[in-house]
Parts: sequence; structure tokens; C-alpha cells
Amino acid sequence: SQTIHQWPATLVQPVGSPLSLECTVEGTSNPNLYWYRQAAGRGLQLLFYSVGIGQISSEVPQNLSASRPQDRQFILSSKKLLLSDSGFYLCAWRSGSGNTIYFGEGSWLTVV
Amino acid sequence: SQQGEEDPQALSIQEGENATMNCSYKTSINNLQWYRQNSGRGLVHLILIRSNEREKHSGRLRVTLDTSKKSSSLLITASRAADTASYFCATFGTGGFKTIFGAGTRLFVKA
Repeated sequence: SQTIHQWPATLVQPVGSPLSLECTVEGTSNPNLYWYRQAAGRGLQLLFYSVGIGQISSEVPQNLSASRPQDRQFILSSKKLLLSDSGFYLCAWRSGSGNTIYFGEGSWLTVV
Repeated sequence: SQQGEEDPQALSIQEGENATMNCSYKTSINNLQWYRQNSGRGLVHLILIRSNEREKHSGRLRVTLDTSKKSSSLLITASRAADTASYFCATFGTGGFKTIFGAGTRLFVKA
């Protein structure tokens, strides 16, 4: 069966520090991968999606970036965090032929 | 901009009552999905309805889709306290890879 792992679960980072959130999927090949951000009590904002290794589409211009160095690995990064980057970050995947999106458990980021 | 918009933003009901949430979207879709999110957790898929379907059932869930009005509704019958969560609709557009989620409806079921 397929599983998705996302880490770290929580982190507190100072303004201006770098960020790296990692996500891996097991049990499937060539998944579509997604990063979403959710502000407290709000909906999901699509940040990035990827249909293959090295292929990244950005939905929102910002100081975040994403990379897909391996088929089932998706990384969200920032060189310098802003206060406004605080939120709940969710990694997700979908099979190329499927419709359902499967989510990780999320990473809580607080920028102080 | 977000594709799906849920209504109401929040809903508080007593256990045993039915809960109805609505979703509107803007462009053509292949299907529409409903997800549930417990506080501080990832989203979990509940049900999918295709663009050529009008109604679908799964247990206590009933989903309708009106493509002419670009709207969908999720009905939870005989609600339980464990149904307390946020519910999101999501649309998967034609010819694309993106799934866009609405702002969600926060459901509170009081025991």
C-alpha cells in the first residue's frame, strides 16, 4: 500500500533563517506531488506541484521554492523565512491516472 | 484564486441532526471531491463525484452535483460528535494536474 511521510512535524524558525521540509511517498511510481499551505482556520493554498523529477510548477510567487530530486521525494525550501511564511504545510500525492489526493500529516511552521 | 468556495464557513448542530454544506466552483471540471480534515491533521478523501453524475451516496454521506450551476452539496445524515471537522470541496479541472481546494466549512457537532 502507498504511504506518505512528511517531516518535521513542527518547527519554530527565526526570521531570515532557511527552511527545508521533506516529503517522501512509498508504494507508487511517478506520482504527481503537491505542496499546500494552510493558514490557521483557512483553506488550502496550492504552492507547488510536480509531475516528474525536476519538473516544478509554481502557483504563487514568493520566497519559497520546491525541488524533486527523486521520483518520490519532494522538498520545500526557503533561503530566508518571513513572518508571513508561518502556517501549516501539507505535502500530497496523486497517481498519474487517479483522482484522489492523499495527504501527509502536515508540518507546522512558526516563524518568530 | 481558489476554485471552490464552501458555504457556510461554519456550522454548529446537535448530534443526530443532518448537516448540509455547499460548494461552488468557477470552471469546467472532470470531477469534484470532498475531503475531511480533523484539527491539525492532513486531509482525508471522503467521496468523489464525476461531472456526468448528479448524486452519489457513501454510508451517511450524500453528495449532489449540479454542473449547470457549478455547485455541489455534501449532506451528512444523523451526525455524530466524531463528525466534528472541517470539510473541503476540491475540483480537478479538465486537462490539468492541479487540484484546487475551497476555504472549507467547519462543522461542530454537539453531543
